[in-house]
Amino acid sequence: TQLLEQSPQFLSIQEGENLTVYCNSSSVFSSLQWYRQEPGEGPVLLVTVVTGGEVKKLKRLTFQFGDARKDSSLHITAAQPGDTGLYLCAGGGGSYIPTFGRGTSLIVHP
Amino acid sequence: DAGVIQSPRHEVTEMGQEVTLRCKPISGHNSLFWYRQTMMRGLELLIYFNNNVPIDDSGMPEDRFSAKMPNASFSTLKIQPSEPRDSAVYFCASSEVGGVTQYFGPGTRLLVL
Repeated sequence: TQLLEQSPQFLSIQEGENLTVYCNSSSVFSSLQWYRQEPGEGPVLLVTVVTGGEVKKLKRLTFQFGDARKDSSLHITAAQPGDTGLYLCAGGGGSYIPTFGRGTSLIVHP
Repeated sequence: DAGVIQSPRHEVTEMGQEVTLRCKPISGHNSLFWYRQTMMRGLELLIYFNNNVPIDDSGMPEDRFSAKMPNASFSTLKIQPSEPRDSAVYFCASSEVGGVTQYFGPGTRLLVL
């Protein structure tokens, strides 16, 4: 079983602060995805990374896939209350049945 | 596009009762996934279908759980009999076969008393 460990588990910050959350595994993934889940809703895909070392930016969010394709990070610049939610990473192998991490729960206070 | 549709959104039932959760995937998607989410265990894959055929049900916790997909536009997850430890949010997701992106429904919040 491929396991994804996410850290930190919880994060509570003030609006305007920067933050980084991590997704780590001992396994190599062919691709890795980040989802955001808002309270009362299902997860929604933010980004997919497939190449080791790849960096993708989505407005104030920066995603990086590790060179060895075993880990990833999500950096948020100048966090806003609208960024509040559960951030999940999911890794896939050849058959693409994803393995989800337990998530980082982020609260951004106004 | 209506997205993945799940019903009911909330279900409260008593221990021992049968519970049926329903899912309509996005039209044209050939893969369907059922997940369960709890604080303790996170998001767990229960079962997935490709082209209406169950491929892997190793995540189904026990025989009380069953899932069907009679056609490409409808799937059910049934719990019979239900137990308090089944209380969780159950998500259905769909994707194109081999697609890396999963589209989740809004979930069914199940409480078994």
